[in-house]
Amino acid sequence: DGGITQSPKYLFRKEGQNVTLSCEQNLNHDAMYWYRQDPGQGLRLIYYSQIVNDFQKGDIAEGYSVSREKKESFPLTVTSAQKNPTAFYLCASRKGRDYEQYFGPGTRLTVT
Amino acid sequence: AQSVTQLGSHVSVSEGALVLLRCNYSSSVPPYLFWYVQYPNQGLQLLLKYTSAATLVKGINGFEAEFKKSETSFHLTKPSAHMSDAAEYFCAVTYSNTGNQFYFGTGTSLTVIP
Repeated sequence: DGGITQSPKYLFRKEGQNVTLSCEQNLNHDAMYWYRQDPGQGLRLIYYSQIVNDFQKGDIAEGYSVSREKKESFPLTVTSAQKNPTAFYLCASRKGRDYEQYFGPGTRLTVT
Repeated sequence: AQSVTQLGSHVSVSEGALVLLRCNYSSSVPPYLFWYVQYPNQGLQLLLKYTSAATLVKGINGFEAEFKKSETSFHLTKPSAHMSDAAEYFCAVTYSNTGNQFYFGTGTSLTVIP
């Protein structure tokens, strides 16, 4: 079955540590996205990538980094510079301009 | 600014009653509009989408939405609420001139009262 996978589902880290969240898709979609979700704030765009080896900052990119070395993969690193990293992180992909975004199941990151 | 507004962060309806969730967009550029549903600790699932074809769009689970350009609205409705409809609903918009960026509303939490 085609889809988007995110791993792990739950992630716990100590403050000051970098952590990488995985996102893989087998839908052959060109565009991929990372969102952060906090209660009552909807989805906020962190980074997005329209093609391999290219990505753009979203509204809240500070403290995060991404790479897009393969079409299928778009990992997100939450660095120690991110002030409030505890959140639910959602990865999405999109086939093209006239199409919807498909979402992964999300990763809940807790930093203490 | 190109954005989408969802009126009402919380909506409660009785089981069997009409569901109406409101969404307004703000741009003069023709939009592509979407409604997503999210259950707790899960990703978002597409309910329906408007991409400049028919203005009345039917989606999954009995939901539908009507694109009204004059009102810049894309409200989501369902004639009869079911307990399983309790979830968070997000309206989203994208435009032909914004590349691949989507803009999401802040969400509406739907409670269904038995």
